[in-house]
Amino acid sequence: GQQLNQSPQSMFIQEGEDVSMNCTSSSIFNTWLWYKQDPGEGPVLLIALYKAGELTSNGRLTAQFGITRKDSFLNISASIPSDVGIYFCAGQRRLGSNFGNEKLTFGTGTRLTIIP
Amino acid sequence: DSGVTQTPKHLITATGQRVTLRCSPRSGDLSVYWYQQSLDQGLQFLIQYYNGEERAKGNILERFSAQQFPDLHSELNLSSLELGDSALYFCASSVGGDRDLAGYTFGSGTRLTVV
Repeated sequence: GQQLNQSPQSMFIQEGEDVSMNCTSSSIFNTWLWYKQDPGEGPVLLIALYKAGELTSNGRLTAQFGITRKDSFLNISASIPSDVGIYFCAGQRRLGSNFGNEKLTFGTGTRLTIIP
Repeated sequence: DSGVTQTPKHLITATGQRVTLRCSPRSGDLSVYWYQQSLDQGLQFLIQYYNGEERAKGNILERFSAQQFPDLHSELNLSSLELGDSALYFCASSVGGDRDLAGYTFGSGTRLTVV
């Protein structure tokens, strides 16, 4: 099935460093979302973006919805140990009002590891 | 607790067997989605139900089937299991329709191991 291209695949950083990851697609999406998954758990929504060009922050996290609607990036500033995990981008298209939202298409994930 | 309940949390079964995974969506959510996550892989969409009706199908094998009941809980049935079916299976729910905001809420998953 289709997956979004997410990079980098993995990152090894030191605590306190900033992190940047991005996601690209060949298709346009109406909504971009960023999720974080801890081991053995389901993904948890971090940030949702609804409009091309939109820049949204959630604490130390900042995400942007690309102007072309085909990409998005996520930045994490001043990383801390609890930031460790796998980050997934996801794109979503809206269907008509009588239907549920279309499925999310997920990126391949970025595994973040903090080196002591 | 996300509000999406999946049972069982772990399941170990033999090849050729059949299992049923259960999902209770968040209160008020009408849409249920099933995803499969193999080891170190992303999430692959399997199937979506909205208010009891199938809405979208992804890469779901013919050996797999799902349904959503009148009380909105959903079950994913996996039959003639193969070793390659070992994975985490996630259920997610959303309000659905034009009241939906974005994305969905995931359950904590069922880890299926086929031996």
